[in-house]
Amino acid sequence: QKEVEQNSGPLSVPEGAIASLNCTYSDRVSQSFFWYRQYSGKSPELIMSIYSNGDKEDGRFTAQLNKASQYVSLLIRDSQPSDSATYLCALYMEYGNKLVFGAGTILRVKS
Amino acid sequence: DAGITQSPRYKITETGRQVTLMCHQTWSHSYMFWYRQDLGHGLRLIYYSAAADITDKGEVPDGYVVSRSKTENFPLTLESATRSQTSVYFCASSEIRMADTQYFGPGTRLTVL
Repeated sequence: QKEVEQNSGPLSVPEGAIASLNCTYSDRVSQSFFWYRQYSGKSPELIMSIYSNGDKEDGRFTAQLNKASQYVSLLIRDSQPSDSATYLCALYMEYGNKLVFGAGTILRVKS
Repeated sequence: DAGITQSPRYKITETGRQVTLMCHQTWSHSYMFWYRQDLGHGLRLIYYSAAADITDKGEVPDGYVVSRSKTENFPLTLESATRSQTSVYFCASSEIRMADTQYFGPGTRLTVL
């Protein structure tokens, strides 16, 4: 099993809809989770970090963490064409002292 | 506030040549990282540094050398470039711990002919 798994997509949603991006992970003791957005030809930029079970909201973005089920998700409300990008899930693994990235999910928001 | 910068942004070289990619950060972050990003592999850690003069291998260190004599600089050297090292290279930094948020530089696109 990969340490971090994401559906590569592309996930296509219409403008104004909710985009739901999911990430599962194998390390039961991971405590720090991150969502990065990467536009084509650009570097990853942090959207949100989450450390506790439950939801964390920041504007149109909500990160959801469920450690028991070992998944973290990112919801984007009122999706805009400018949200079209690759979304990378990352988590810090204490075993190995490393940040592990998923391969990313391509999101396309159609106007 | 420049943050984290990389140079050059684009580089074309030939097999067997030595290449050095530069990374500079202005935040005084303790940790610095080098990643490569390839289709099908995502981001893979090459080397990282916890502080000046402290470096350690990541997932794919073979063929690369790093140094960190100053906190703000973390150069990556390909001692004898190979075609398999054609990639996009990202430098990143985090404030205190490996687990802190990592901030990425703009990247260097390297092509080895």
